[in-house]
Amino acid sequence: DAGITQSPRHKVTETGTPVTLRCHQTENHRYMYWYRQDPGHGLRLIHYSYGVKDTDKGEVSDGYSVSRSKTEDFLLTLESATSSQTSVYFCAISEPGGASTDTQYFGPGTRLTVL
Amino acid sequence: GNSVTQMEGPVTLSEEAFLTINCTYTATGYPSLFWYVQYPGEGLQLLLKATKADDKGSNKGFEATYRKETTSFHLEKGSVQVSDSAVYFCALSFSIFGNEKLTFGTGTRLTIIP
Repeated sequence: DAGITQSPRHKVTETGTPVTLRCHQTENHRYMYWYRQDPGHGLRLIHYSYGVKDTDKGEVSDGYSVSRSKTEDFLLTLESATSSQTSVYFCAISEPGGASTDTQYFGPGTRLTVL
Repeated sequence: GNSVTQMEGPVTLSEEAFLTINCTYTATGYPSLFWYVQYPGEGLQLLLKATKADDKGSNKGFEATYRKETTSFHLEKGSVQVSDSAVYFCALSFSIFGNEKLTFGTGTRLTIIP
């Protein structure tokens, strides 16, 4: 299994509070991604990173920001959480080139509930 | 834009039944195609993939063939087991300068009854 951990695994918070989710990898992969999973929508890309300090928006980026100061860590921040951000969040990694190009490896997920 | 449409679930089958989960895509150009599987309480795992037309991906008894003419990538298994119960996601990606963003279908929940 790819070495990807997410923390926390579960979190309950209140509307209006800031929340930061962490993704940590030990694979030295260049690309990292944050998705959210909601019933009827599959997984939707929030933000992704193609290198240290290099990030870009996905299809559902409003209300989220990210940072990547080290290759191994990718942080997702909800500046002011809303109930619509209640979801399961997955981190993924990939490395272009070679036999595994195009393949993303996923972390175990973080279940976030915003009350 | 790119999109993936897959068979609505849930799907319930008896053990040893034949499985087909349909997946079609809309894309400009020729993407790579994937099936990911999510077991209860876990993240997604790559099940199989195909990177060009007529390629067949296979793993754990599952197969899917990249059909350019019908823009499809249907998942099949000849004899399912209880352990195959999971949610299955079809997805596509384009690698452009190493950018490998995945577009997912909505997922199909499969339950196998002993």
